Amino acid sequence: AQKVTQAQTEISVVEKEDVTLDCVYETRDTTYYLFWYKQPPSGELVFLIRRNSFDEQNEISGRYSWNFQKSTSSFNFTITASQVVDSAVYFCALSEGPWMDSSYKLIFGSGTRLLVRP
Amino acid sequence: NAGVTQTPKFRVLKTGQSMTLLCAQDMNHEYMYWYRQDPGMGLRLIHYSVGEGTTAKGEVPDGYNVSRLKKQNFLLGLESAAPSQTSVYFCASSYKGAGTARGGYTFGSGTRLTVV
Repeated sequence: AQKVTQAQTEISVVEKEDVTLDCVYETRDTTYYLFWYKQPPSGELVFLIRRNSFDEQNEISGRYSWNFQKSTSSFNFTITASQVVDSAVYFCALSEGPWMDSSYKLIFGSGTRLLVRP
Repeated sequence: NAGVTQTPKFRVLKTGQSMTLLCAQDMNHEYMYWYRQDPGMGLRLIHYSVGEGTTAKGEVPDGYNVSRLKKQNFLLGLESAAPSQTSVYFCASSYKGAGTARGGYTFGSGTRLTVV
């Protein structure tokens, strides 16, 4: 069955520190997609990244980077030089390919609340 | 702007009242989903639809009903609201999941529902 685990409930850092948010997933499928979303205090869900299971290259976008390791079923997210505006809840999510589940539904982790203090 | 629109944004209900949440998308997406978000539990799937006229149960369907009479609209109904249904509700739509060139999910801005 699909499952996404974000073991870190809340993380607090001081501005300019680096922080890594952990995500571990379970899936029966060989084709799947992983996502990260940000939910700022305003409440909307902001898409950050989508990665498919065939692409294990790490990705960097500005201060954000993602480390995908199929061997450990992990898709971790690192924020370098954190800023107060990074304070939000971050969700990792998984969607399986159509051969296992034709609903294409997204399964979310429970989220990690990141607080960046000035 | 194209996207997913949820109506209403806020609502307070008394226990036992009924209401319908409307989700409308103008992207011609086939798939639509209703999630609820509760503290510490992430987003959990209530019901979903893979096309006009079809609906299916998700992880937490009890107490809710849905309908998709038109492709662009996905309605979530609460027949007899309970305090346990106090939550933030998100609607999402997708062309065909994450794996296509048009893949990905578009979320509405959410509906905050309080049942007293």
